[in-house]
Amino acid sequence: GPKVLQIPSHQIIDMGQMVTLNCDPVSNHLYFYWYKQILGQQMEFLVNFYNGKVMEKSKLFKDQFSVERPDGSYFTLKIQPTALEDSAVYFCASSPETGRNYAEQFFGPGTRLTVL
Amino acid sequence: AQKVTQTQTSISVMEKTTVTMDCVYETQDSSYFLFWYKQTASGEIVFLIRQDSYKKENATVGHYSLNFQKPKSSIGLIITATQIEDSAVYFCAMRGEATGGNNKLTFGQGTVLSVIP
Repeated sequence: GPKVLQIPSHQIIDMGQMVTLNCDPVSNHLYFYWYKQILGQQMEFLVNFYNGKVMEKSKLFKDQFSVERPDGSYFTLKIQPTALEDSAVYFCASSPETGRNYAEQFFGPGTRLTVL
Repeated sequence: AQKVTQTQTSISVMEKTTVTMDCVYETQDSSYFLFWYKQTASGEIVFLIRQDSYKKENATVGHYSLNFQKPKSSIGLIITATQIEDSAVYFCAMRGEATGGNNKLTFGQGTVLSVIP
């Protein structure tokens, strides 16, 4: 099926530092998402992004978080500064939002973020 | 706000048997989509199957099928002829129909399936 790529697979940083998580969505998809999964729990929605704008964000999407996708580059989640509670696996997803299967979201392999 | 609940924390079944995993949901939307995803031991999240709320027929893909009971807000996943590689965590999820917003997925807590040889 369609592939979403994420870089890096694992990131370890010290509390207070900045981190950028990178996502390469499926090429013809229009909507991009970030979800957060704390170990052993379900995925929780952070933010979605369309046409260069944040469309919706959850209460988990703190002021320290930001997303962007400069033309032709990765869809990124930046956390600045990081906090201990940001330790989790972050999944990127994308969906076409057109066509027969417009609602289906495809997920990347996740980036495991460890904040020390 | 949408809510998805999976009450079965874990299930163990013998290989080649059939298993059903339960999921109930809450939504104010008149049209919505229901999904099942599988998370493997490596953490990969795999899309399995989808049910559109306006369709009365239960969706079927390979050895996955759904038991959609709209009046009960229930969407069970049925796996027939289970295989060892079906061992994983299964998540039920839903989203609204609109593309302009309200398209985030809301996930249940997950059910751990163990298939025993």
